[in-house]
Amino acid sequence: GQNIDQPTEMTATEGAIVQINCTYQTSGFNGLFWYQQHAGEAPTFLSYNVLDGLEEKGRFSSFLSRSKGYSYLLLKELQMKDSASYLCAVMDSNYQLIWGAGTKLIIKP
Amino acid sequence: DAMVIQNPRYQVTQFGKPVTLSCSQTLNHNVMYWYQQKSSQAPKLLFHYYDKDFNNEADTPDNFQSRRPNTSFCFLDIRSPGLGDAAMYLCATSRGLGEGGEKLFFGSGTQLSVL
Repeated sequence: GQNIDQPTEMTATEGAIVQINCTYQTSGFNGLFWYQQHAGEAPTFLSYNVLDGLEEKGRFSSFLSRSKGYSYLLLKELQMKDSASYLCAVMDSNYQLIWGAGTKLIIKP
Repeated sequence: DAMVIQNPRYQVTQFGKPVTLSCSQTLNHNVMYWYQQKSSQAPKLLFHYYDKDFNNEADTPDNFQSRRPNTSFCFLDIRSPGLGDAAMYLCATSRGLGEGGEKLFFGSGTQLSVL
């Protein structure tokens, strides 16, 4: 079966750096997405990786290693508004999106 | 300006009473999706339309139906809601089906409660 694993919950301090990991086993690979979802709201797009390496976008960076079936989302200079769930999703060989259950990130002052 | 609009934001229905959720988009995207998401779980794809071409996920219950009368609008009909259907229902759009990393644009969701 197809599977996406990410930690259920993480806690970090305002101003610090946090890394949210995602491992996947899917039927083929056509890219990996990260979405942010605040409580009770819809997911919003953060990043897309299809080639190995690091993609940087402001305070957020996303890394992919296809050979390891692994990605991480790196958040720098954490702000209270970054408290949210972060969803990892992989597009398989049929262009179907396989979603992880999300990592709830709690930011403490 | 909202690009994917879902109405209502909150919907309360009674057990067994049909309910319709609506979604509209101003992006002129070809694909529209309906997802069901329960608390702390991954979004679960119910079905999607590519233009007028309807695609049902194999495990979507018959209780869930959808209509897309035109490019801009899509509806989710729940014929006989059960307590287990209480969830957030998310509408999303994309230009294509994923080739080239098409990202999804989500509406704000409809939180459905079943009493």
